[in-house]
Amino acid sequence: GIQVEQSPPDLILQEGANSTLRCNFSDSVNNLQWFHQNPWGQLINLFYIPSGTKQNGRLSATTVATERYSLLYISSSQTTDSGVYFCAARRGADGLTFGKGTHLIIQP
Amino acid sequence: DTAVSQTPKYLVTQMGNDKSIKCEQNLGHDTMYWYKQDSKKFLKIMFSYNNKELIINETVPNRFSPKSPDKAHLNLHINSLELGDSAVYFCASSQGRGNTGELFFGEGSRLTVL
Repeated sequence: GIQVEQSPPDLILQEGANSTLRCNFSDSVNNLQWFHQNPWGQLINLFYIPSGTKQNGRLSATTVATERYSLLYISSSQTTDSGVYFCAARRGADGLTFGKGTHLIIQP
Repeated sequence: DTAVSQTPKYLVTQMGNDKSIKCEQNLGHDTMYWYKQDSKKFLKIMFSYNNKELIINETVPNRFSPKSPDKAHLNLHINSLELGDSAVYFCASSQGRGNTGELFFGEGSRLTVL
C-alpha cells in the first residue's frame, strides 16, 4: 500500500508565528486530506486536496501530485492551533492511509 | 446535528468481556469505516463497508466483527477483549465506493481494557 510520511514530527512555536508542515506520499493518489486532532481527540477536517491549492482563513494547503507531496501552511498561529496534524492519502481500492502526524504546540 | 456519531464515547471493561461500539451517520453517505488509533496516535484502517457490503478487511483478529444493518450504520463487536485492544476507535464515512470521496470522522470511542 501507499506510504505517507510527515515532517517535522514535533514543532513548538510562539503565538503569531507561521509554520509549514510537509507530507510526502509514495505513489499517485486520488484522495489526500489534512486533519487536525485537537487536544480533546476530535479529528477535524481541514482540507480535501488531492491536487492544487486551497485556503481557509489562516490555513492553506498545496498538493503537487506529480511530485508526491503536500504542504499545510498555518499563519499567525494561535494557541488553539495546538494539536496533532495528520495527512492521509488514498490510492486505488485501499483505505485512507495516515501519516504519523506532526505534533504542534503553540505557546502564548 | 452530529454528522457521524459513535456510542459509547468511553468504555472501560475487563479482559475477556465482549463489547460493541455503534456508529451512525446522517450525511447520506454509502461507505463507512472503522479506524483504530493506538497509544502512539497512529491511525490505521480496520474495515470498510459500502452499502452493507464488506469491501476492506485489513489484518484484524477474528475477535473483531463489523456489522452493517444498513448504509447509515456500522457497528463493531469485539469478543474476548485483550489488553492490547485498548485504543480509540474511530468511525468514518464517505460518499461513493470509489476512492475520491472525502472522509468524515466521528468523535471516537475510547476503549480501556483492564
